Amino acid sequence: AQTVTQSQPEMSVQEAETVTLSCTYDTSESDYYLFWYKQPPSRQMILVIRQEAYKQQNATENRFSVNFQKAAKSFSLKISDSQLGDAAMYFCAYRSPLYNNNDMRFGAGTRLTVKP
Amino acid sequence: EAEVAQSPRYKITEKSQAVAFWCDPISGHATLYWYRQILGQGPELLVQFQDESVVDDSQLPKDRFSAERLKGVDSTLKIQPAELGDSAMYLCASSSLPSGGKEQFFGPGTRLTVL
Repeated sequence: AQTVTQSQPEMSVQEAETVTLSCTYDTSESDYYLFWYKQPPSRQMILVIRQEAYKQQNATENRFSVNFQKAAKSFSLKISDSQLGDAAMYFCAYRSPLYNNNDMRFGAGTRLTVKP
Repeated sequence: EAEVAQSPRYKITEKSQAVAFWCDPISGHATLYWYRQILGQGPELLVQFQDESVVDDSQLPKDRFSAERLKGVDSTLKIQPAELGDSAMYLCASSSLPSGGKEQFFGPGTRLTVL
């Protein structure tokens, strides 16, 4: 079974600085999807960024970018120019493309604090 | 902007009582998911629906949990009887298709406390 590991329970960053959140996963599949979701306090989880494993180019969404290392099974999230609104729990997730085996596997999360 | 609705937002109950949670997905979304998120952990899938049919309920404790989506739109998750270990956040999510790359849209969740 696929597992997702986030080794940093908590991280903090100064406003306007850059922070990187780590994620590793274990799988025997060659094709899959990886996600970073953000869960602000008392608010719903929202998708930050998505990466398809067959695409070599790292995904980017404004201030958010990923470093996808397929061979190392690593998928880190970089947040540039951190803002107070970035404070949240961040979850890394893995999903198989197969219809009958495609439940989303989440890591335990990293709590990000942004200091003004 | 369309959102996934859930109610109630908070529920406190005593063990051995029955509880029910409701979810209304984004209009037109055929795929609906129920997750359980224990404090300090990531969400874990309980059940997945495609329209009104259950696609995956392998992690649903069927002796006490049940889920239905009778008309393929809104859904209800029930626990009977509730146990202390059921205290958690119950999240509902929906997507337009079940395929792996499709974004799942999450509701605000129902926080259950079992005393």
